[in-house]
Amino acid sequence: QSALTQPASVSGSPGQSITISCTGTSSDVGGYVYVSWYQQHPGQAPKLILYEVNNRPSGVSHRFSGSKSDNTASLIISGLQAEDEADYYCSSYTSTSILVFGGGTRLTVL
Amino acid sequence: EMQLVETGGVVVQPGGSLRLSCAASGFTFEHYTMHWVRQRPGKGLEWVCVINWDGGRTDYGDSVKGRFIVSRDNSKNSLYLQLTSLTTADTALYYCVKGHSTRLDYWGQGTLVTVSS
Repeated sequence: QSALTQPASVSGSPGQSITISCTGTSSDVGGYVYVSWYQQHPGQAPKLILYEVNNRPSGVSHRFSGSKSDNTASLIISGLQAEDEADYYCSSYTSTSILVFGGGTRLTVL
Repeated sequence: EMQLVETGGVVVQPGGSLRLSCAASGFTFEHYTMHWVRQRPGKGLEWVCVINWDGGRTDYGDSVKGRFIVSRDNSKNSLYLQLTSLTTADTALYYCVKGHSTRLDYWGQGTLVTVSS
C-alpha cells in the first residue's frame, strides 16, 4: 500500500488561509469518507483534528475544515495563527482494511 | 483522564526481538479497537497494525506483516506488540493509539525502539 501524496511544505502569513492536499487512489481516499487529518507539533504526539473528511473532534478550532473530491482530500486552515505551525498528516481507510498515511506536510507561519 | 503509556523500547541488535506494552486508563479499554503507529527519526507516520476489541481480528502493514504480532489483554487494560526479525528500518518511535471507527483519536507519547549493532 503506497503512502498518500502530500506537499512537503506550505506556508502562509497570519490571518491567511492555506490548503493542504492529500492525493490517493480509488482504493483509499476516493473510495471512502474515512479520511482523517492529524496535527503534530515538534516533540509531541500527533493529535486528531478532522475525521470522516470534515468532522471536528470536540475542542478543535472551527478554523480547521476539510473537503474531498475524487481521489484528493484537502485540509483548509483559515485565519492562520502562529500556533498552527506544525506537521500535518492525512490518513485514509483502504480497500484492504488497513490505514495509510500521507507523507506529511510542514506548515510554516511566516 | 485518558492515558496511554507505552513501555518496552530499547536498543536491540539486528535480527533481535522485543515486546512493547501499552497501559491504558481513563476509558473502557475493551470497547475499542487499538492501533500501533510508528515514526522513524525525522520522518512521517507509518501505520503498523490494528487489533479489534476482543483480539479476534488483526491487520498489519506490509512492512511488518509476518514479523510483528499485536495482542491485547482486556483484563489488564493492556496492548502489546511483539517485534521479531528486527532490522535497522524498524528503528522508530512506536505509538499506541486508541481507535474509534477508522480514526485514531488518542495517542500515547511513544516508546523508542533502536535497532543497532
